Amino acid sequence: DAGVIQSPRHEVTEMGQEVTLRCKPISGHNSLFWYRQTMMRGLELLIYFNNNVPIDDSGMPEDRFSAKMPNASFSTLKIQPSEPRDSAVYFCASSLAGLVYNEQFFGPGTRLTVL
Amino acid sequence: LAKTTQPISMDSYEGQEVNITCSHNNIATNDYITWYQQFPSQGPRFIIQGYKTKVTNEVASLFIPADRKSSTLSLPRVSLSDTAVYYCLVGSAYSGAGSYQLTFGKGTKLSVIP
Repeated sequence: DAGVIQSPRHEVTEMGQEVTLRCKPISGHNSLFWYRQTMMRGLELLIYFNNNVPIDDSGMPEDRFSAKMPNASFSTLKIQPSEPRDSAVYFCASSLAGLVYNEQFFGPGTRLTVL
Repeated sequence: LAKTTQPISMDSYEGQEVNITCSHNNIATNDYITWYQQFPSQGPRFIIQGYKTKVTNEVASLFIPADRKSSTLSLPRVSLSDTAVYYCLVGSAYSGAGSYQLTFGKGTKLSVIP
């Protein structure tokens, strides 16, 4: 399996522009997570989906952020409009939900720079 | 979610055993203890998970005392490639709403010295 795939790996944009980050989870996994990592705040959970349904989006910083999962093999995280403080590494992770703790598999991340 | 406390950083020489202790005083009955490893420019990677006593795999050992208020990750004979950030996480099992959330702290930055 190729693991969790994220694109783009790097994104540089100007303040006010729309940014869309993409994620393909591991085939067969039914849970998907979006995280953001910065030096100041560490690794923060933004939102997670189970069977394509958003379960908890309490970590989404504000209305400028939105996430969708139209099917089991694709998810997007959109920032509109982007701001310099959104600069971070965004990780997508997937897991197979079950009756015990489930290991999360992380993608390589997207490094976002907003100028 | 139970809060965890672990050292910010540790240094070790190659070949030594490294023990990283994590405190989780308010751990709940259903909580598991899990450790992740993160190399620079990569996403975190699962290392080991346990509920009580001792768990060992090909990478590490996890020691959990009877009261479960702390845990120790043990890395035998570390090498330079073990330089990474190690996160201790505590969370409950599947609740019926899907996979449960992971709350990452700042982790412990381990530096292995030649």
